[in-house]
Amino acid sequence: ELKVEQNPLFLSMQEGKNYTIYCNYSTTSDRLYWYRQDPGKSLESLFVLLSNGAVKQEGRLMASLDTKARLSTLHITAAVHDLSATYFCAVDDGYGNKLVFGAGTILRVKS
Amino acid sequence: DSGVTQTPKHLITATGQRVTLRCSPRSGDLSVYWYQQSLDQGLQFLIQYYNGEERAKGNILERFSAQQFPDLHSELNLSSLELGDSALYFCASSVGVNLRYTEAFFGQGTRLTVV
Repeated sequence: ELKVEQNPLFLSMQEGKNYTIYCNYSTTSDRLYWYRQDPGKSLESLFVLLSNGAVKQEGRLMASLDTKARLSTLHITAAVHDLSATYFCAVDDGYGNKLVFGAGTILRVKS
Repeated sequence: DSGVTQTPKHLITATGQRVTLRCSPRSGDLSVYWYQQSLDQGLQFLIQYYNGEERAKGNILERFSAQQFPDLHSELNLSSLELGDSALYFCASSVGVNLRYTEAFFGQGTRLTVV
């Protein structure tokens, strides 16, 4: 069964610091998603990574994908309070029927 | 705004009752997916429909059922509700049938509380 593991599950950061969230998955999927969720809200699509070596950046967030290692990273640069949210990675199940989500990383940025 | 519309936004009901959650996909999208998000299980895939036909099934309880209508909106029916069914239910839609080649967009969700 496909497993998607994120770590850490909880991250408390100081404003201005850098950190990385890791997402490991067990299938050969070459499409990976990162979502942001604010409490009780919907899943906001941040990045869609489509191939090995893909790197995308938006503001203080940068995501990368290594399909050979089955690893994606979400790097946060100079964190600000507005980035506080839960971040999920997700991959398709290998058949394209569904997305399998990681458990999520709760990010808290303290000023 | 993703373009996927879910109603109602909030629902409070008693154990043993039945509710219907509604989803209107983005214009032009043929696939609809239902997910359940709970504190203990995380985000779990329930079921997918494509152009009116059931396409894939996940961990959906027998007390739950869904359908997609000719106008492509979808309904998720939850019956004999239990306290443990309290969760956020998301609908997502995509143009194509295969998530290897198409992106899914999520609605705002329906918060179901069973008391």
